Amino acid sequence: DGGITQSPKYLFRKEGQNVTLSCEQNLNHDAMYWYRQDPGQGLRLIYYSQIVNDFQKGDIAEGYSVSREKKESFPLTVTSAQKNPTAFYLCASTRASVTGELFFGEGSRLTVL
Amino acid sequence: GENVEQHPSTLSVQEGDSAVIKCTYSDSASNYFPWYKQELGKGPQLIIDIRSNVGEKKDQRIAVTLNKTAKHFSLHITETQPEDSAVYFCAASMGDTGRRALTFGSGTRLQVQP
Repeated sequence: DGGITQSPKYLFRKEGQNVTLSCEQNLNHDAMYWYRQDPGQGLRLIYYSQIVNDFQKGDIAEGYSVSREKKESFPLTVTSAQKNPTAFYLCASTRASVTGELFFGEGSRLTVL
Repeated sequence: GENVEQHPSTLSVQEGDSAVIKCTYSDSASNYFPWYKQELGKGPQLIIDIRSNVGEKKDQRIAVTLNKTAKHFSLHITETQPEDSAVYFCAASMGDTGRRALTFGSGTRLQVQP
């Protein structure tokens, strides 16, 4: 089945550690996105990539980094510079040629201890 | 950049009643307005969308209306059922020009009482 796979589903981290969240899609979509979800704040855009080897900062990129070496993969690293990393992280993808449906993964919940 | 405001934050209705969720957006260049439904612990799923060249769109029990002049759009759910209980998000995008990424509202938790 085509879709987006995020892993891990739950992740615990100690303060000062970097962690990487995985996002893989087999939908042959060009564009991929990372959103952060906090209670009562909706979804906020962290980074997005319209094409391989290119990505742009979203609204809350500080303390995060990404790479896009393959079309299928868009991993997100939450660095120790992110002051409040505990959140639900959602990866999404869409065809870049038109604006249409975003397909979301099931999310990764990161908790900093 | 774009700012999307969504109201109410929570909504409780009786089964069979209608539910209405409203959103306003700030950037007149936005031209694509989707609505997503998120169930507990899952990623959001698209339920309906509308583009700026259309004023209303229906799909069975759900409908979306768009007022470009006032820069607001609404989701209408008729004959609500318990399985409609979820968090609903509106969003806006500039579509094929500028940044295509969606800007989301803060969400509405809908509870349908049996």
